[in-house]
Amino acid sequence: EVQLVESGGGLVQPGGSLRLSCAASGFTFSNYEMTWVRQAPGKGLEWVSYISGSTNIMYYADSVKGRFTISRDNAKNSLYLQMNSLRAEDTAVYYCARFVLVVGFHLDFWGQGTLVTVSS
Amino acid sequence: EIVLTQSPGTLSLSPGERATLSCRASQSVSSSYLAWYRQKPGQTPRLLIYAASYRATGIPDRFSGSGSGTDFTLTISRLEPEDFALYYCQLYGSSPLFTFGPGTRVDIK
Repeated sequence: EVQLVESGGGLVQPGGSLRLSCAASGFTFSNYEMTWVRQAPGKGLEWVSYISGSTNIMYYADSVKGRFTISRDNAKNSLYLQMNSLRAEDTAVYYCARFVLVVGFHLDFWGQGTLVTVSS
Repeated sequence: EIVLTQSPGTLSLSPGERATLSCRASQSVSSSYLAWYRQKPGQTPRLLIYAASYRATGIPDRFSGSGSGTDFTLTISRLEPEDFALYYCQLYGSSPLFTFGPGTRVDIK
């Protein structure tokens, strides 16, 4: 069974840093590209970042470029999001999601999310 | 940047009724890049439809997707209680890599 479990969220002051983790199981992690998607309270979904399976190609939304860094450790079946210079508008539930390119391009499994609150 | 518009914003229907949700792209896109998700209150999004018309694993056949070019549709043939939720369409692209529509809420009438 595919499982994605995020952790590392919490309350942080503006300008602070936080590192999110996503533990993957039930599939060969290194074979899949992964993404982070966030959802501000009461708002819609916003894609944040992408990382390839093993070639370390990374992409970011303009809203987080230069502040967030996505990474992965395939030996530990883990995905990470290092978030620096956090702003109030980064407050959201952060989901990790598996990216699939089979027939279509989509996110087939999502974690339960971890809440990041940026406030003084 | 391609913008996705979903309509209506809210759909009020009764269990057993048919729901038709629209997703419109600001320019023509490949149907391979279009997916639909359902998000129940307080839960994580779940993939329903990918490549515009393919049902994801475990998704019942009351869900169907169609469309091409700029206009795509998610149809729920007979609403079940668990279908009263938020629905998002998603486009895979170049910049940003993924775009989500603003969502359609399906409420109980």
